Amino acid sequence: QVQLQESGPGLAKPSQTLSLTCTVSGGSISRGGYYWSWIRQPAGKRPEWIGHILSSGSSGHNPSLRSRVTLSVDTSKNQFSLNMTSVTAADTAVYFCAREKRGLTGTLRYFDYWGQGTLVTVSS
Amino acid sequence: DIQMTQSPSSLSASVGDRVTITCRASQNIRNYVNWYQQKLGTAPNLLILGASSLQSGVPLRFSGSGSGTEFTLTINSLQPEDFATYYCQQSYSTPSFGQGTRLEI
Repeated sequence: QVQLQESGPGLAKPSQTLSLTCTVSGGSISRGGYYWSWIRQPAGKRPEWIGHILSSGSSGHNPSLRSRVTLSVDTSKNQFSLNMTSVTAADTAVYFCAREKRGLTGTLRYFDYWGQGTLVTVSS
Repeated sequence: DIQMTQSPSSLSASVGDRVTITCRASQNIRNYVNWYQQKLGTAPNLLILGASSLQSGVPLRFSGSGSGTEFTLTINSLQPEDFATYYCQQSYSTPSFGQGTRLEI
């Protein structure tokens, strides 16, 4: 059974960088060709996909976040990470990491395993 | 960007009822829609993928249908544990979610 666990500071100051790590257990991050995603959800709002990364390091992100997002992967630790720069109060949310699985054509993408989420508050 | 709009935003029902939640896409997204259930303080849980395929382990009372721009999630014979918030999600382009439907007793 695959399990994911987010870790990182629960507080970030405006204009600084938010950094989170997701540790995957129950399976190798390098096997299966899965994408590994970050998704966030402000209180009372819909989830928002942030971006994803393959074990090869190839990544993609939501254009709405422009170039503030950097994703990285450490296969030796079975972890992947999120860095988000220049944060504001609008970035306050619960941040989830999730496994992204794809259908045969690659267009169908769904999130079948999720971490429990970690609340990040942006405040001075 | 593809907008996903769910209706209703909230719904009251009773144990044993059948309920239907609708999700409309701002453009044709074929069948690239998934449905999730989220309970307070937990992560979303995948119910339906590809508009109509039941995720492994999900009870048979959940079903999905639709294609193009209109999709539905149906729950037959509501159980106490089904009272939660439900989200649709499209993957035709950059993944995005509907605003959610809160199902209340």
